Amino acid sequence: NAGVTQTPKFQVLKTGQSMTLQCAQDMNHNSMYWYRQDPGMGLRLIYYSASEGTTDKGEVPNGYNVSRLNKREFSLRLESAAPSQTSVYFCASGTESSYEQYFGPGTRLTVT
Amino acid sequence: GNSVTQMEGPVTLSEEAFLTINCTYTATGYPSLFWYVQYPGEGLQLLLKATKADDKGSNKGFEATYRKETTSFHLEKGSVQVSDSAVYFCALSEYGTSYGKLTFGQGTILTVHP
Repeated sequence: NAGVTQTPKFQVLKTGQSMTLQCAQDMNHNSMYWYRQDPGMGLRLIYYSASEGTTDKGEVPNGYNVSRLNKREFSLRLESAAPSQTSVYFCASGTESSYEQYFGPGTRLTVT
Repeated sequence: GNSVTQMEGPVTLSEEAFLTINCTYTATGYPSLFWYVQYPGEGLQLLLKATKADDKGSNKGFEATYRKETTSFHLEKGSVQVSDSAVYFCALSEYGTSYGKLTFGQGTILTVHP
């Protein structure tokens, strides 16, 4: 039981490049989330998916797109990376019966 | 909207000292409250939670009581250890209206010296 996994762990991009962050969970959770963590700002929700086939914007969605590929996988795409997107990105999952979320280990992204 | 405010950090303590990290919240409904901990280089882990007023969450010697009258959920531990050094996040979730989305405080860095 791996929980929530994320790839890659680290990534450096140049401004304007694109990339996709991958997330998968093996806990059969319906809900999945993408957050970014910046110093002094806690975690801010980028996008979430309440169930397979649905996605919704969170607090800071600009510059990002997401895909809920199936119940297990939820990817985050940066179409044209900007230095302001330098951050640590966390994926999480949760269920309707629990108020908890389970987090992956994070992806540290640097955009130069 | 919902918001969570944590005490300013960082917090530096000696081993066996008493710890309090303050957390207050603003919410329109009936939130559940959480403390998450992030050890260096890792993701967040749930430390404890409380789902209704006057509930006390506890885990690993940490405690927090859901105080609706003061809209607070302060984290306490009677005797900290070096291994407690981490970043602590207070969070709330209003389930049923927002699919369990969490609103986080800014985090408090705790460093415990031997």
